[in-house]
Amino acid sequence: DSGVTQTPKHLITATGQRVTLRCSPRSGDLSVYWYQQSLDQGLQFLIQYYNGEERAKGNILERFSAQQFPDLHSELNLSSLELGDSALYFCASSVAGTSRNEQFFGPGTRLTVL
Amino acid sequence: AQSVAQPEDQVNVAEGNPLTVKCTYSVSGNPYLFWYVQYPNRGLQFLLKYITGDNLVKGSYGFEAEFNKSQTSFHLKKPSALVSDSALYFCAVRAPSLNFGKGTSLLVTP
Repeated sequence: DSGVTQTPKHLITATGQRVTLRCSPRSGDLSVYWYQQSLDQGLQFLIQYYNGEERAKGNILERFSAQQFPDLHSELNLSSLELGDSALYFCASSVAGTSRNEQFFGPGTRLTVL
Repeated sequence: AQSVAQPEDQVNVAEGNPLTVKCTYSVSGNPYLFWYVQYPNRGLQFLLKYITGDNLVKGSYGFEAEFNKSQTSFHLKKPSALVSDSALYFCAVRAPSLNFGKGTSLLVTP
């Protein structure tokens, strides 16, 4: 158990809908990262927050947004969902936002868009 | 751009034999390299990292990795494979997020 929690574990929804994925980082970790894992794209970095502020952006679509709250939990919002958004979404956390720190991953949320 | 490549989609090895999972990197500056393992329907687990110092890095579950600057490689190794090592292995470089390779499926047969 990495100490990173994600809810829900599974999410099934329809095209055009909006969903929110939630992540709680390990105790003491200030940085949260979101990743998308799919068969065709592999593991892709979406966005990073550090102590409530956006730190880095990766291949995140404009339909997707995220935020980190004062208690350091984070939410990833996916809207106008398309079939291709079906994937495993991981949250990870690290102590700081620097390159030296390893990231600890949650169990993921499996999103299925029908 | 900082990137890693895993040239093998799958590696098969018999239990008790040594295993190697290959990774090469392309970075500007000093590379910060990581190995993660993913078991079915689970998140990624950190195995080890290279930041600086000794070229041989020891990690979890008996795994180690050798950093080779001249060959720009960071291969994952284990002297004696276990069936329970069967999983998906990812090499990654910090940039500052993690840029992952496409993964190598390791199958250890009894």
